Amino acid sequence: DVVLTQTPPTLSATIGQSVSISCRSSQSLLHSNGNTYLNWLLQRPGQPPQLLIYLVSRLESGVPNRFSGSGSGTDFTLKISGVEAEDLGVYYCVQSTHAPYTFGAGTKLELK
Amino acid sequence: QVQLKESGPGLVQPSQTLSLTCTVSGFSLTSYNVHWVRQPPGKGLEWMGVIWSGGNTDYNSALKPRLSISRDTSKSQVFLTMNSLQTEDTGIYYCNRIRNWGQGVMVTVSS
Repeated sequence: DVVLTQTPPTLSATIGQSVSISCRSSQSLLHSNGNTYLNWLLQRPGQPPQLLIYLVSRLESGVPNRFSGSGSGTDFTLKISGVEAEDLGVYYCVQSTHAPYTFGAGTKLELK
Repeated sequence: QVQLKESGPGLVQPSQTLSLTCTVSGFSLTSYNVHWVRQPPGKGLEWMGVIWSGGNTDYNSALKPRLSISRDTSKSQVFLTMNSLQTEDTGIYYCNRIRNWGQGVMVTVSS
C-alpha cells in the first residue's frame, strides 16, 4: 500500500501568516492516464472532512484562493497564503491513484 | 444538491456484525463511486473501501477479510457490512464521494 507521510504533524500560526504542509508518497502518484490523484482535505473540529484541492493543484469550487497545491511524483505541498481563523483544523492528503486509497496522518493547524 | 447520509446502529457488541447504510441523493450510483472512510476517536482517517460506479468493489487490504460493500441502485443506497467487530472498530463511519461527505455515524463496539 502507498504510504503518505505528512509534515509537520502540528503547525502553529498567527492570523495572516502563510504556512505550508508537505505530503510525501512512498511511490509515484502519477497514474498511467497522466493524472496525479493527490487531494487535500480539511477537517474542522466536529465536522466531516471537506475537499480543498484535487489533482494536486485544482481548487475545489467555493474554496478560497488563499489555498494552493503543488508538486509532482512523490512530493506535494499545500500552501495557505494568509491563515484565517476558519482555516483551523486538521489537514489530510489522500491519494487515489493506487488502490487501496490511503490518507496521510494529518497536520493539525492551530493558532499560535 | 448532492447529499449522502449514513445510518445504522450506534452500538454493536464485540464479535457481532456491523451493518451501515448510506442513502444518497442528487446523483446516480451508476455514475459515481462511493467510498467508506472511518475515523477512530481522536485519530486520523482510514479508507475502508469503494463501490465503483460499475458495481465492482475494492477494499482496504487489512479489512478485506471482514468487509463487504454493496448497493441498491433503485433505492440510491450503499451498504457496508463488517463482521467480527472489536473495540478498535469504534469510530465515526463516513460515506463519501470524495467531493461530498456525509455527516458520519458514530459506532461504538462495546458489551
